[in-house]
Amino acid sequence: KAGVTQTPRYLIKTRGQQVTLSCSPISGHRSVSWYQQTPGQGLQFLFEYFSETQRNKGNFPGRFSGRQFSNSRSEMNVSTLELGDSALYLCASKGEEADTQYFGPGTRLTVL
Amino acid sequence: AQSVAQPEDQVNVAEGNPLTVKCTYSVSGNPYLFWYVQYPNRGLQFLLKYITGDNLVKGSYGFEAEFNKSQTSFHLKKPSALVSDSALYFCAVISSSYKLIFGSGTRLLVRP
Repeated sequence: KAGVTQTPRYLIKTRGQQVTLSCSPISGHRSVSWYQQTPGQGLQFLFEYFSETQRNKGNFPGRFSGRQFSNSRSEMNVSTLELGDSALYLCASKGEEADTQYFGPGTRLTVL
Repeated sequence: AQSVAQPEDQVNVAEGNPLTVKCTYSVSGNPYLFWYVQYPNRGLQFLLKYITGDNLVKGSYGFEAEFNKSQTSFHLKKPSALVSDSALYFCAVISSSYKLIFGSGTRLLVRP
């Protein structure tokens, strides 16, 4: 099976812009979660989607949003980018009734 | 509050020697515990998990972890380290709200 894929792998934006990141889960996986990884804050949970519905949410401002499509692919959007949003954004998927999340390679976002 | 602690920022070990990466947790109820590894510019790779059963869990690439309920620990071990094991290791636990909470990470450096 193909693993979790994320596009793009690298992105450079300027403050105030918005960005959309994409994640395709492992085939058959319906749960997709997003994480932000920074040197200062480590790995932090953003949100989880299951069957096109947000099932869980971390402590991030409303500028961070996501959605999931009927084919389980997910997108994450960050509006009004700030310098502090520079991070590696990781997507993970897991199967139904499963407990193990499998991660994609991440999208490295740099905000200038 | 539910949390995971990795007390060592870095662990240094010589190739061929045994290695231990420490992890302690604080969660309510029975813990679901995980270890992931991250190589440079890559996503997280699942190594092993403890859900229930034997306290010694075996995982990928010769790694194992020992669950100790009384000490609330889940240390990662390997009998003989390889230079290629050098990477960033994360311990994680599923919280009561079904979020995956990560430790701060431990950098393992295996010298030839």
